[in-house]
Amino acid sequence: EVQLLESGGGLVQPGGSLRLSCAASGFTFSSYAMSWVRQAPGKGLEWVSAISGSGSSAFYADSVKGRFTISRDNSKNTLYLQMNSLRAEDTAVYYCAKELGSTIFNWFDPWGQGTLVTVSS
Amino acid sequence: EIVLTQSPGTLSLSPGERATLSCRASQSVSSSYLAWYQQKPGQAPRLLIYGTSSRATGIPDRFSGSGSGTDFTLTISRLEPEDFAVYYCQQYGSSPLTFGQGTKVEIK
Repeated sequence: EVQLLESGGGLVQPGGSLRLSCAASGFTFSSYAMSWVRQAPGKGLEWVSAISGSGSSAFYADSVKGRFTISRDNSKNTLYLQMNSLRAEDTAVYYCAKELGSTIFNWFDPWGQGTLVTVSS
Repeated sequence: EIVLTQSPGTLSLSPGERATLSCRASQSVSSSYLAWYQQKPGQAPRLLIYGTSSRATGIPDRFSGSGSGTDFTLTISRLEPEDFAVYYCQQYGSSPLTFGQGTKVEIK
């Protein structure tokens, strides 16, 4: 069974940093692109970033470009999201999600349970 | 960026009724690369439909998707109690990937 388990969320002050992790199991991690999608409280879904299976390609939403960095450690079956210069508008539940194959830009299935990031002073 | 607009915002129906949800794109979605997700309160989204009309594994056949170009539809033929939730469309034909704002299907 495919499982995705996010961690690393919490309360951080504006301008601060946080690193999210997503531990994957039940599939050959390196064979699949992965994405981060976030959902602000009471709002809809927003794609944040994606990385190819090999880690050689990464893409970002304009709203986080230059502040967030996606990476992966295929030896540890773990996806990461380094978030710097955090703003109040980054407050959201962050989900990791598995894509169709090794290349980016597909549908997402499945999703992790999410981790809440709150940016507030 | 492709903007997806879902309508209606809220759909009030009774169990057993048919639900028709619309997703309109600001420009043509490449190769019908459109997906639908269901989200219940406190849960992660679940994939229902990909490629406009292909059901994901384990999704009942009361869920169906159709459309092309800029107009797409999710139909639930007969609503079951567990179908009352929020539904999102997503296009994956071009970067950035985008979602619609969601349609809430509530019990009338």
